[in-house]
Amino acid sequence: GESVGLHLPTLSVQEGDNSIINCAYSNSASDYFIWYKQESGKGPQFIIDIRSNMDKRQGQRVTVLLNKTVKHLSLQIAATQPGDSAVYFCAENIRDQFYFGTGTSLTVIP
Amino acid sequence: NAGVTQTPKFQVLKTGQSMTLQCAQDMNHEYMSWYRQDPGMGLRLIHYSVGAGITDQGEVPNGYNVSRSTTEDFPLRLLSAAPSQTSVYFCASSFSDSGGTEAFFGQGTRLTVV
Repeated sequence: GESVGLHLPTLSVQEGDNSIINCAYSNSASDYFIWYKQESGKGPQFIIDIRSNMDKRQGQRVTVLLNKTVKHLSLQIAATQPGDSAVYFCAENIRDQFYFGTGTSLTVIP
Repeated sequence: NAGVTQTPKFQVLKTGQSMTLQCAQDMNHEYMSWYRQDPGMGLRLIHYSVGAGITDQGEVPNGYNVSRSTTEDFPLRLLSAAPSQTSVYFCASSFSDSGGTEAFFGQGTRLTVV
């Protein structure tokens, strides 16, 4: 199967600080990427996406950066809040299928 | 708006039993898919459908069947449950199968096979 991995399985940040969650992918044919947030006991929730012809995309308090040279994706969350505590997944789309990473658990310390 | 609705939320099966996990969406999405989520392995695609009458296999299809008779419904059938199928199952839908649109997930079905 495809390999989508995360550098750090857990991340703890102080409330108000910025968070950076990283993701590595292995298939250069990937043309579309999504970041999801999953809170305990709930389904994944779409955060932001980016196409392979872009390097950066910004949303509300979130930014996704794509570095195709090193096959690396990152999610930046500005001014992290307690409600941001969750597991974050990156997913890549290859030939109509999405492949998910194992997730990074983000804990926000008040 | 209901979005993506999965039933049941919890289920316990005995080995060898069969059952159907239901998934319905009210957003008129063409693309629907089923994933399983196991600890430390992220979400893995079981089956997907790009429209009514069309289904295809994902990464881990063995032991599961699907059908798509309507745009709204995409049931997942376990033919003969095995303990290895203990997992949390998620159904998802989106407008497009090629990305560029938001994908919506249901709340999940936690299945235990004993």
